[in-house]
Amino acid sequence: EPEVTQTPSHQVTQMGQEVILRCVPISNHLYFYWYRQILGQKVEFLVSFYNNEISEKSEIFDDQFSVERPDGSNFTLKIRSTKLEDSAMYFCASSGGPADSNEQFFGPGTRLTVL
Amino acid sequence: GNSVTQMEGPVTLSEEAFLTINCTYTATGYPSLFWYVQYPGEGLQLLLKATKADDKGSNKGFEATYRKETTSFHLEKGSVQVSDSAVYFCALSDLGFGNEKLTFGTGTRLTIIP
Repeated sequence: EPEVTQTPSHQVTQMGQEVILRCVPISNHLYFYWYRQILGQKVEFLVSFYNNEISEKSEIFDDQFSVERPDGSNFTLKIRSTKLEDSAMYFCASSGGPADSNEQFFGPGTRLTVL
Repeated sequence: GNSVTQMEGPVTLSEEAFLTINCTYTATGYPSLFWYVQYPGEGLQLLLKATKADDKGSNKGFEATYRKETTSFHLEKGSVQVSDSAVYFCALSDLGFGNEKLTFGTGTRLTIIP
C-alpha cells in the first residue's frame, strides 16, 4: 500500500543552524502539507502546497520557513536559523489521488530537537 | 477561528470495556469532522470521518456521529482491544472536502490493559 515517508526520523541540531526535513508523498497525489506538534500540544497546520506553489500558510510559517518540491517526488521543509521553540514533531501529508477521496495521508513524522 | 477540544488523556481501560473520547468543535462554517489514530512509531491514519450533520462515521468498530446541535463528534467503541492502544486525534477541515488544512485537537492517549 502506498505510504508517505519522511526522513530523518529524528534530527538534532544546534540553535541557529538550518535544517531540511524531507518527505516523499504518495506518487500520484497533488496536494502536500506540513504540520507540527510541539510536545504536549496540538497538531498545528503549517503550510499547504499545490501546483508548485504555497496555497495556504499559517501565522507560524514565517520567513524562517520554506517549502520546495525540487524533483517531482520529494517535498521538503527548510527551517533557517533554528530556535529552541522549533523543537517539535513535524508531519508531512499528501492528498488528492485519482479516486479523489480527499483523505490526507500522513507520514510517521520527524522529531526535531534544537539544542 | 476554528478549534477542536478533546478529552484530556491519558485514558486507561481494561480489554472489552466501553470507550468514549469526547470531542467538541468551534467552526464558522460547516466543516467535515475526522478522527485520526496514531499507533506507536507510525504516522496519523484516518480512522473515520463525517461530512455533514447527523452523519455517522464508522470503522474497525469505532463510531462517531456529527452532532451540529451540540457541536460534538465523540468517538465510541463498544468493546476495546489491546490493539486499540494508540493516540486518537479529533480534527476538522474548513471547507468540508478535505483538500485543505486540518485543525486538530491535542490528542488522547489510550492504553488498553489485558
